[in-house]
Amino acid sequence: AQSVSQHNHHVILSEAASLELGCNYSYGGTVNLFWYVQYPGQHLQLLLKYFSGDPLVKGIKGFEAEFIKSKFSFNLRKPSVQWSDTAEYFCAVMTSGTYKYIFGTGTRLKVLA
Amino acid sequence: DGGITQSPKYLFRKEGQNVTLSCEQNLNHDAMYWYRQDPGQGLRLIYYSQIVNDFQKGDIAEGYSVSREKKESFPLTVTSAQKNPTAFYLCASRDRGREDTQYFGPGTRLTVL
Repeated sequence: AQSVSQHNHHVILSEAASLELGCNYSYGGTVNLFWYVQYPGQHLQLLLKYFSGDPLVKGIKGFEAEFIKSKFSFNLRKPSVQWSDTAEYFCAVMTSGTYKYIFGTGTRLKVLA
Repeated sequence: DGGITQSPKYLFRKEGQNVTLSCEQNLNHDAMYWYRQDPGQGLRLIYYSQIVNDFQKGDIAEGYSVSREKKESFPLTVTSAQKNPTAFYLCASRDRGREDTQYFGPGTRLTVL
């Protein structure tokens, strides 16, 4: 069965620290990849996505992610986090043609001011 | 103002009762989804619908039912057969025009007493 793994369940960082959240998926075919964020009390919203082309994608609020096909990975990065980045982050995969999304278990990020 | 609405925000029911959660969208999206979010388990797909009058089971459909009679509406019924219904339920729709990005509603927290 297809699955998405987020290895870091809880991450605590100080402001200005660099962030990298891991995401690996198990599917050998064509995929669309997403990172969503859920700020406290708010809707899930899209951070960034990979559909095709340049494997390094940039999203909102300074986030970026790199699709490495050989490693089945789509890690999320930010060079310098802010207190306002405190949220839960979800990686998601949609296998081409299915329109069915598989989400990871999420990573709770807490940024200390 | 376009978006997805879910009502109510909090719902309480007695064990053994069926309950229907509302999801309405005015984004003109064809596809809609229902997820269940539990702590540490991420989002799990319950049902999805690509078009009016058609829907498919997701990964955890047992104990749930849906209908899709109108493009704007995708109600979810949690039946008494669902063994652990207390959870946070999220509705989403998919925008084919924006590389299959999903948009989420605010969610309904169901507590079965």
